[in-house]
Amino acid sequence: GAVVSQHPSRVICKSGTSVKIECRSLDFQATTMFWYRQFPKKSLMLMATSNEGSKATYEQGVEKDKFLINHASLTLSTLTVTSAHPEDSSFYICSARGDIAQYFGPGTRLTVL
Amino acid sequence: EDKVVQSPLSLVVHEGDTVTLNCSYEVTNFRSLLWYKQEKKAPTFLFMLTSSGIEKKSGRLSSILDKKELSSILNITATQTGDSAIYLCAVTGGSNYKLTFGKGTLLTVNP
Repeated sequence: GAVVSQHPSRVICKSGTSVKIECRSLDFQATTMFWYRQFPKKSLMLMATSNEGSKATYEQGVEKDKFLINHASLTLSTLTVTSAHPEDSSFYICSARGDIAQYFGPGTRLTVL
Repeated sequence: EDKVVQSPLSLVVHEGDTVTLNCSYEVTNFRSLLWYKQEKKAPTFLFMLTSSGIEKKSGRLSSILDKKELSSILNITATQTGDSAIYLCAVTGGSNYKLTFGKGTLLTVNP
């Protein structure tokens, strides 16, 4: 139990395009999901907290107009990186709050050319 | 601001050795401490420790929470090469469920 999926697992896009990443809790409902970013050899950096049916809460320094989050159902949250630039290249990981802990998706490797 | 410090930052051992990883924290209204293992992809959940559950064990892995010392240890006995990974410690506090992560301990188990 407590499986979280992410799609796509990796994406390469051109600068200026937008990329949508999906996060799904497969066998449980999650009112709260989290989006993280991880740079090589660094720990996870929380970007935002996504609450089902309401606006996301962004961490300081994270641009909400650039990283659009939608949590439309109890099993799905999406992160859209708008007008992506090379500096947005990173490993994006979502997690869903289950009954015991936060469970992480497998991550999405974004490369912006 | 919540803070988690892990030590050592990296560790190299031989198969069969026992290792102890450390985690200390400062958090407002402590709720829980979690251990995760991260290999090439995203972290996988190992343990959660709270005030009512200060010791957990699963196979060769065990963890203890010391609320007085604001710390936790993760023990791995009879290490195997498959234990090689980054081990992350995180805490939650207050009324939200945000995780504050430490920088992790990179464990390398050599055959």
